[in-house]
Amino acid sequence: AQTVTQSQPEMSVQEAETVTLSCTYDTSESDYYLFWYKQPPSRQMILVIRQEAYKQQNATENRFSVNFQKAAKSFSLKISDSQLGDAAMYFCAYRSVNTGANSKLTFGKGITLSVRP
Amino acid sequence: KAGVTQTPRYLIKTRGQQVTLSCSPISGHRSVSWYQQTPGQGLQFLFEYFSETQRNKGNFPGRFSGRQFSNSRSEMNVSTLELGDSALYLCASSGDWYYNEQFFGPGTRLTVL
Repeated sequence: AQTVTQSQPEMSVQEAETVTLSCTYDTSESDYYLFWYKQPPSRQMILVIRQEAYKQQNATENRFSVNFQKAAKSFSLKISDSQLGDAAMYFCAYRSVNTGANSKLTFGKGITLSVRP
Repeated sequence: KAGVTQTPRYLIKTRGQQVTLSCSPISGHRSVSWYQQTPGQGLQFLFEYFSETQRNKGNFPGRFSGRQFSNSRSEMNVSTLELGDSALYLCASSGDWYYNEQFFGPGTRLTVL
């Protein structure tokens, strides 16, 4: 079974600064998807960024980028130019590419990010 | 397109009762997944339905069940409620078979007294 670990329960960043959220995972599969989801307080979860394991290039979405280290099974999220609206809980998630048999998302425990004005 | 909707948004029940939660996926999406979110256990997968068939099931007792209708709307039912069932129940829909990006609803906050 796959596991996702987010060892830092809370992080804080100054507005306009850069912060990196860590995530490690364990799997025996060679191909899979990794995601970062954002859950603002009392608001619904939205996808921030995704990475296909077979792609060596790190995914980027505007101010959000990942550092995907497949051999180390590490998948960190970097948020540049942090904004007050980035304050939320961030979840790292794993999904197998075997959509027929195992399409569920396995989540880490989440990291609460606060942004200081 | 309208997003994923869940009803009701808040629910208070007492131990031993049963509850039914509803989820309407994004139009055209055929897959609906359910997750339970608690402070202690985090987000845990309950089950997934695709074209009215349960495709995957998480490690939850049989008190948790679900179904999907021909219009892809899904319901989950919890019978004989326990205090530990208090949680935010999230529904997610997806449409693309290959990529299967999941779009989440706002959740139903269930409180069991």
